[in-house]
Amino acid sequence: EPEVTQTPSHQVTQMGQEVILRCVPISNHLYFYWYRQILGQKVEFLVSFYNNEISEKSEIFDDQFSVERPDGSNFTLKIRSTKLEDSAMYFCASMWQLNTEAFFGQGTRLTVV
Amino acid sequence: GNSVTQMEGPVTLSEEAFLTINCTYTATGYPSLFWYVQYPGEGLQLLLKATKADDKGSNKGFEATYRKETTSFHLEKGSVQVSDSAVYFCALFSGAGSYQLTFGKGTKLSVIP
Repeated sequence: EPEVTQTPSHQVTQMGQEVILRCVPISNHLYFYWYRQILGQKVEFLVSFYNNEISEKSEIFDDQFSVERPDGSNFTLKIRSTKLEDSAMYFCASMWQLNTEAFFGQGTRLTVV
Repeated sequence: GNSVTQMEGPVTLSEEAFLTINCTYTATGYPSLFWYVQYPGEGLQLLLKATKADDKGSNKGFEATYRKETTSFHLEKGSVQVSDSAVYFCALFSGAGSYQLTFGKGTKLSVIP
């Protein structure tokens, strides 16, 4: 069964460092997403990506965040200068078309120290 | 804006007990409603969905009915099993120019033998 894969599963980084979280969405899907979940809180939308550009982003997704789909298979989330409050579980998701099932990866737990 | 409110957890039930997890929503337009489940150590998986009022989604013995008049989508199961222990997320997709799923905070269910 096709699945969304994320790497790494856990990343620890120092405050101020750049991190790149990687995702391989399902190959024929068209819509790609990043969500995050701070421990014990709700799953929050960060950004959606369609047709090689950002289609929607939340107020969390400020200038410190960027996304890229460099080679038609990987979908990355970069945080330029991490803050303590960026510590969370980050989920990648992909969808074939809008309003269909979103398939989620297992998540990357980011810990900023 | 769109929002989803779920009952607070954690919920602990004995095997074969009846389960209800309440979910209410506010949304623009005519949203589609979803329940996602996250088993320990795994990503979010779609459990069931309903796309219009009075639709009933069902899967693995779980059911939820889209109630437009009460803006609710409560999850029910007649007889839970230990293997149902997981975190359950209610979510909506509103369309209306939005590309994102909006999630509730999640409800952790523990089923004890």
